[in-house]
Amino acid sequence: NAGVTQTPKFRILKIGQSMTLQCTQDMNHNYMYWYRQDPGMGLKLIYYSVGAGITDKGEVPNGYNVSRSTTEDFPLRLELAAPSQTSVYFCASTDGQGALFYGYTFGSGTRLTVV
Amino acid sequence: AQKVTQAQTEISVVEKEDVTLDCVYETRDTTYYLFWYKQPPSGELVFLIRRNSFDEQNEISGRYSWNFQKSTSSFNFTITASQVVDSAVYFCALSRYGGSQGNLIFGKGTKLSVKP
Repeated sequence: NAGVTQTPKFRILKIGQSMTLQCTQDMNHNYMYWYRQDPGMGLKLIYYSVGAGITDKGEVPNGYNVSRSTTEDFPLRLELAAPSQTSVYFCASTDGQGALFYGYTFGSGTRLTVV
Repeated sequence: AQKVTQAQTEISVVEKEDVTLDCVYETRDTTYYLFWYKQPPSGELVFLIRRNSFDEQNEISGRYSWNFQKSTSSFNFTITASQVVDSAVYFCALSRYGGSQGNLIFGKGTKLSVKP
């Protein structure tokens, strides 16, 4: 089925390590997003992209980087992992604007623990 | 600034009870969207409803109903005759009319536990 695919589903990192969370969508959506969900805190936007080659910071971008070389892929890079980055990460996408905006299609999430 | 407040952190009910989840929002925009998402224990986020700011009609879908009141900036969600499968975290969210440029603002969520 079409949708947003995130890998890996779970990961344990040691402090100072780096990793890339992968996100791919096959719906030809222009807009893609990365959110993090901390317990009891809702979802907070890390980065987003309005199309290939264009990215912008969200509310909590520090410690992360993104790239968008294709419409389909929007990887999130963690450099020098810290315990504060322990969270569940969600990738999402949409192609709707204005009256056609029906919210996002979310991936199933990546649970990351930094120890 | 935009903000969504879900004052109820956790709610516990017994099966078949009705339950209302509260959502209060703040925005200076005259046109905006409101959403509810469900996050079951499996962790995925499931879209439930979108409401336009210029449409204040209440909506009913099966056991679910939504009460949008612009005068009080509220968009409350009621589950009638709750079931164990309704146990989940429910998020209310707000976006500008343009919607797509990363401004879907979420509340902190309400965890609903429905006991048999």
